[in-house]
Amino acid sequence: QSVLTQPPSASGTPGQRVTISCSGSSSNIGSNTVHWYQQLPGTAPKLVMYYNYHRPSGVPDRFSGSKSGTSASLAISGLQSEDEADYYCAAWDDSLRGPVFGGGTKLTVL
Amino acid sequence: QITLKESGPALVKPTQTLTLTCTFSGFSLSTSEVGVGWIRQPPGKALEWLALIYWDDDKRYSPSLKSRLTITRDTSKNQVVLTLTNMDPVDTATYYCAHTFGEVLRFDSWGPGALVTVSS
Repeated sequence: QSVLTQPPSASGTPGQRVTISCSGSSSNIGSNTVHWYQQLPGTAPKLVMYYNYHRPSGVPDRFSGSKSGTSASLAISGLQSEDEADYYCAAWDDSLRGPVFGGGTKLTVL
Repeated sequence: QITLKESGPALVKPTQTLTLTCTFSGFSLSTSEVGVGWIRQPPGKALEWLALIYWDDDKRYSPSLKSRLTITRDTSKNQVVLTLTNMDPVDTATYYCAHTFGEVLRFDSWGPGALVTVSS
């Protein structure tokens, strides 16, 4: 059970906007930055958001990130079939004195 | 272009020590702020951060696995080696190495991963 809580699944139809949440506490999200990874089936994770809302080069601007208090979110607008993947949030935890990943959210494009 | 690749045994027995090598290109582990980390993923489960080594030989370990992990580097060979002692079936996972610039969780390039199964 991760200290960062994500919904196990999310879904949307092509063109829709979906949001994936990541809930933590004052010792992780509340005091540190959040990163997001996309993992397509059978492949290595790929960084899609860092320092809460910064997009790496090459990541479409359909992806956006935000953080408020002890929660963070990854939003994907104009949903496409290629966005179907597992998404993980990650942050440093001051209490555990180490980095932690969320449990992951499987995004299905209907 | 940054590339990384993990190598090591696909099968280890319980109680044995796992040694994995990450061979990389496109960057130098002598460059300031550069680091190489290891992350694993049990089949069907979430990612787990294991260890990280920086350009200055600063090493970071997962608190829960620290007693079993060792990370080292060979800058002349562009390699980073991870050892995990006393392997158990719960350590069965795909092990990834990844490049970072500065931050312990901001991995911008990953290897394809190596599946390690622990079984007698």
